[in-house]
Amino acid sequence: DAGITQSPRYKITETGRQVTLMCHQTWSHSYMFWYRQDLGHGLRLIYYSAAADITDKGEVPDGYVVSRSKTENFPLTLESATRSQTSVYFCASGRDLSSYEQYFGPGTRLTVT
Amino acid sequence: LAKTTQPISMDSYEGQEVNITCSHNNIATNDYITWYQQFPSQGPRFIIQGYKTKVTNEVASLFIPADRKSSTLSLPRVSLSDTAVYYCLVGGNTDKLIFGTGTRLQVFP
Repeated sequence: DAGITQSPRYKITETGRQVTLMCHQTWSHSYMFWYRQDLGHGLRLIYYSAAADITDKGEVPDGYVVSRSKTENFPLTLESATRSQTSVYFCASGRDLSSYEQYFGPGTRLTVT
Repeated sequence: LAKTTQPISMDSYEGQEVNITCSHNNIATNDYITWYQQFPSQGPRFIIQGYKTKVTNEVASLFIPADRKSSTLSLPRVSLSDTAVYYCLVGGNTDKLIFGTGTRLQVFP
């Protein structure tokens, strides 16, 4: 049982390119989340999803797109990557919003040149 | 969402007890207090959650005074492997998690 996985683990892309980060969880958790982590900012919520086909914005959604056609997958797309989107991206899942007990993936380190 | 304040960093030695205090003066009645741990190059990991008084599990204890305006995460007899960043979060059952910058704990031999 892999739990929650992210791919790729490392990605280098150029400014203006579209990039998709994948997230997959095997727990059938209703909620899934995307965070970015930058030095000096801690983790910031980008988007989250309460169920398939239900998504909502977090603190820093601009420049990102998400979808959730299946409960277990929650891809994050950078439509036109910018250097300011260089970061470590974490996906997480949880049973509900209220439990505060989220399970995080290993992260994807994205560099935009 | 209640704002939290915690020390930026702390140092300790192996075998000592470490107490990390978090201030949350404007905590709401239905807010819970949750702590996460993050090792380098890994995602955060849930440690403990509480509402009032004391909560203990196999990893840590969480002390919450009656006024709930602060909380203290206690790590007994730390080891080198406890070196990590510890986040204190406060919120209610409809809130999204808001992480601050956390407390960086360094444990020395």
